[in-house]
Amino acid sequence: GENVEQHPSTLSVQEGDSAVIKCTYSDSASNYFPWYKQELGKRPQLIIDIRSNVGEKKDQRIAVTLNKTAKHFSLHITETQPEDSAVYFCAASVGGTSYGKLTFGQGTILTVHP
Amino acid sequence: SAVISQKPSRDICQRGTSLTIQCQVDSQVTMMFWYRQQPGQSLTLIATANQGSEATYESGFVIDKFPISRPNLTFSTLTVSNMSPEDSSIYLCSVEDSGGGYTFGSGTRLTVV
Repeated sequence: GENVEQHPSTLSVQEGDSAVIKCTYSDSASNYFPWYKQELGKRPQLIIDIRSNVGEKKDQRIAVTLNKTAKHFSLHITETQPEDSAVYFCAASVGGTSYGKLTFGQGTILTVHP
Repeated sequence: SAVISQKPSRDICQRGTSLTIQCQVDSQVTMMFWYRQQPGQSLTLIATANQGSEATYESGFVIDKFPISRPNLTFSTLTVSNMSPEDSSIYLCSVEDSGGGYTFGSGTRLTVV
């Protein structure tokens, strides 16, 4: 089955810096790659996703890049703010007519220092 | 995106007992997913529940321990049976949105004592 590796496990940055989290996946059939933000005690919230027919997607300060050949994708957060502090999870999904189940990475604890 | 109501939000249970978690969705969905998130860990899929058929369980999870019901397209339950302290986790349901993403319920924080 699918295996998703996520790095780093913890990331500490100063406010205003950029943060990058990287994930690799094993199943070349995976075609959907979401990123979730989970604050303490809360549910995971989708922040951005990308499908295999595009290489990059941006939404304000957040961007995701996908390299299908190398089977890796990355989350980029620019101009980080203290409220960006949370656990971030990448995931991958193999789909047919729908996208199917998600396999999650191990998570990255992001801390943004004021 | 879909709105999911999950309950209970938390419970403390005695070992050997069972707890049933409910998820109600505000729209009809084909598949519902049940995940476990152990303390400080990532999310692991327990099973996928389709209406009208038996749930499909992932490796390491069995129906006797985690029976699932899916009586209609908006509702599902997960039961954690014969609980032990190792079952202490957050349990979350999830559905696929019409746009192709996935939304999660608010989670059930289970503590087994």
